Amino acid sequence: SQKIEQNSEALNIQEGKTATLTCNYTNYSPAYLQWYRQDPGRGPVFLLLIRENEKEKRKERLKVTFDTTLKQSLFHITASQPADSATYLCALDHNQGGKLIFGQGTELSVKP
Amino acid sequence: ETGVTQTPRHLVMGMTNKKSLKCEQHLGHNAMYWYKQSAKKPLELMFVYSLEERVENNSVPSRFSPECPNSSHLFLHLHTLQPEDSALYLCASSQDFPGGLGEAFFGQGTRLTVV
Repeated sequence: SQKIEQNSEALNIQEGKTATLTCNYTNYSPAYLQWYRQDPGRGPVFLLLIRENEKEKRKERLKVTFDTTLKQSLFHITASQPADSATYLCALDHNQGGKLIFGQGTELSVKP
Repeated sequence: ETGVTQTPRHLVMGMTNKKSLKCEQHLGHNAMYWYKQSAKKPLELMFVYSLEERVENNSVPSRFSPECPNSSHLFLHLHTLQPEDSALYLCASSQDFPGGLGEAFFGQGTRLTVV
């Protein structure tokens, strides 16, 4: 069956450290993968997109990797700050048709 | 502010009521979506509209009825809902569907409680 799995447990880290979140998928062949941030009671906000032929993408303190052999994406936040505390969602396109399917999200908490 | 506006933000309705959720986008996008988000569950795609035509219906119960009168507006009509339908309902839009790479812009959601 098709699955998208993210770290189910909340991730707690100290301010200034690097947070690494994992997204694994099964029985999909996505052309791209996206990461979103969601704060409580609000809609997700787009952060980064990485295509299947890209290994790594960066945006300010964010870095995403995409390994189509392992069927995995890693999302890194360097020099983390308490304001980075939120739930982070990965999403991939289903059947390369532009329809996004989401993982359940990982809750990140950055302590001062 | 993402450019996608949902109303109302909160809705409490009885199981015999009929209500509608509204979504509006002025981003010039050609695709609109309804997602359902329940506690501790992934976002569930309910309906997809591309150029005002429904292209996807993920086996959603008939008590949910979408309507897309034009590319800027999307409605979700609700009737005879069940308590398990209580959730956050999110509308999103994107450009370049199908086959596109468009990021999804989400509204703030409607928190629905069925009593």
